[in-house]
Amino acid sequence: RKEVEQDPGPFNVPEGATVAFNCTYSNSASQSFFWYRQDCRKEPKLLMSVYSSGNEDGRFTAQLNRASQYISLLIRDSKLSDSATYLCVVNIGLTGTASKLTFGTGTRLQVTL
Amino acid sequence: EPEVTQTPSHQVTQMGQEVILRCVPISNHLYFYWYRQILGQKVEFLVSFYNNEISEKSEIFDDQFSVERPDGSNFTLKIRSTKLEDSAMYFCASSRDGTTNEKLFFGSGTQLSVL
Repeated sequence: RKEVEQDPGPFNVPEGATVAFNCTYSNSASQSFFWYRQDCRKEPKLLMSVYSSGNEDGRFTAQLNRASQYISLLIRDSKLSDSATYLCVVNIGLTGTASKLTFGTGTRLQVTL
Repeated sequence: EPEVTQTPSHQVTQMGQEVILRCVPISNHLYFYWYRQILGQKVEFLVSFYNNEISEKSEIFDDQFSVERPDGSNFTLKIRSTKLEDSAMYFCASSRDGTTNEKLFFGSGTQLSVL
């Protein structure tokens, strides 16, 4: 089983649509969870951290289910500028030690007019 | 926002040659990292570095690889004898501390092409 598994997509959605991405992870000792965004041939950029209580940042909502080892990202009112690859990322480093991020292969989103 | 800078942005080298990839982490950060991404594949952890020593390294980071912080600002990745399969985008990152939700700041990467 892959350490972090995502549907590669692509997801093609019209502007204004709501789109959801899912991710599962295999290491139950994982400490923290993130969604990163990566544009073509660019560095990953942190979109948001993910907490069990669920968290929202504008049009983006992330959710973590530790029991199911499942992470989700919801994007509402999609915009053309949201077109990118969304990376599910898990930190298996221990608190007080260096981070060790494990990346999924990413889900490609294409928002169209 | 503070930035991690990497040089060069592109590096072309012949198989068997040594390359050094350079990074300037954010000035008050204490943890430093190298990740790589082969074209079309996921981002992979190579090594973490703290207090002038390697904290952890992956199985990719074999004896051909080494890291160094030669002065107070630079953080380098050396590949001693490059192979074709070393061709990838190499990202440097840094973080301020070791809390688990601490944000990693990534540089814009060095594209290494081994011919």
